[in-house]
Amino acid sequence: KAGVTQTPRYLIKTRGQQVTLSCSPISGHRSVSWYQQTPGQGLQFLFEYFSETQRNKGNFPGRFSGRQFSNSRSEMNVSTLELGDSALYLCASSPQGHFAYTFGSGTRLTVV
Amino acid sequence: KNEVEQSPQNLTAQEGEFITINCSYSVGISALHWLQQHPGGGIVSLFMLSSGKKKHGRLIATINIQEKHSSLHITASHPRDSAVYICAPGVSGGGADGLTFGKGTHLIIQP
Repeated sequence: KAGVTQTPRYLIKTRGQQVTLSCSPISGHRSVSWYQQTPGQGLQFLFEYFSETQRNKGNFPGRFSGRQFSNSRSEMNVSTLELGDSALYLCASSPQGHFAYTFGSGTRLTVV
Repeated sequence: KNEVEQSPQNLTAQEGEFITINCSYSVGISALHWLQQHPGGGIVSLFMLSSGKKKHGRLIATINIQEKHSSLHITASHPRDSAVYICAPGVSGGGADGLTFGKGTHLIIQP
């Protein structure tokens, strides 16, 4: 059974650019959630999508956005990148969004 | 907001030792995850538990909902257990925004 797949694994971008990260959940999982991990703040919740609708959103600026497609794959987008956006971005999927999360390996974004 | 405290923050032990990592939280929860993260790697969910005890191989997780406390034990520790261990209690409602994450315990097992 394939796990949660995140692409790309590593990414280097320049300040001011935008970036799109992709997450393919486990087959049959309808909930995808995104998290940012930094050395200073640890893991922080970004947003959750369920059946193509954003269900919850964390305390992040509007530059962070996402969407979910009909096949449950999700993308997150960060516009006007800042140095502080350098982080490991993790996504997790679950069947219904109730705690049984499986995490992906993450995308490590470096903004220079 | 759920305040999560993990202890110890850092732990170095010798191979074969019994390891205990503790997690305390401030708000009543529905369930709690224990997560493992190897250097440069993604996160693996080791356990999700809402009561009692669960065991998987050399790993044991316990939770006391009334005392708002959970522990992760590793028996016969091995260098491959070296990783960051994160507890993540989830409040009622069950949505992903209900998960709060501890800062993690950095575990190093020396051969």
